Amino acid sequence: EAAVTQSPRNKVAVTGGKVTLSCNQTNNHNNMYWYRQDTGHGLRLIHYSYGAGSTEKGDIPDGYKASRPSQENFSLILELATPSQTSVYFCASGDWGAQDTQYFGPGTRLLVL
Amino acid sequence: QQQVRQSPQSLTVWEGETAILNCSYEDSTFNYFPWYQQFPGEGPALLISISSVSDKKEDGRFTIFFNKREKKLSLHITDSQPGDSATYFCAARGGWQLIFGSGTQLTVMP
Repeated sequence: EAAVTQSPRNKVAVTGGKVTLSCNQTNNHNNMYWYRQDTGHGLRLIHYSYGAGSTEKGDIPDGYKASRPSQENFSLILELATPSQTSVYFCASGDWGAQDTQYFGPGTRLLVL
Repeated sequence: QQQVRQSPQSLTVWEGETAILNCSYEDSTFNYFPWYQQFPGEGPALLISISSVSDKKEDGRFTIFFNKREKKLSLHITDSQPGDSATYFCAARGGWQLIFGSGTQLTVMP
């Protein structure tokens, strides 16, 4: 059974609309991450969280907010979606340690028209 | 700025050949280097990793070679199989964060 799930898997939004991407993990990891993946850029970190109630800015936080209401759930919020936010978004979970492995969800493909 | 660079962007090899994927980095404080494998429509998954105290890590057909002095590493996939066709990301741990390269898309022709 998948340990990191994302919903929705596909989303079409209109410019200026609000979009919420959800992530759930059953790994009981403290850390969760939101990345976007674009051709030529690899994975870029948007926001991350150390635990319930915490959110931190990553490398490209502008235009995004995050919410971590519980250990299991981490949401990415686009208050005013723009076409430049069209991308594939990945959630990941992980814990501190010697290897610091991150476990990724299947991704959400977002198209902003 | 791109602190982790990968080359080539895409690579095609024949089944049975050795595929060599390259990675370089800039920050000498990076101490852990995982490689992730991603199939179309899926999220990346950890394939193999190496710490900066080692110069080689082997796991079956996958081997990482690490040159700390030159800040370079490479992933060798021996006896490549069509099922190895995927995008491979090199990453580096800098402090609390994993920094990913832009990936190499590998195609293994049968």
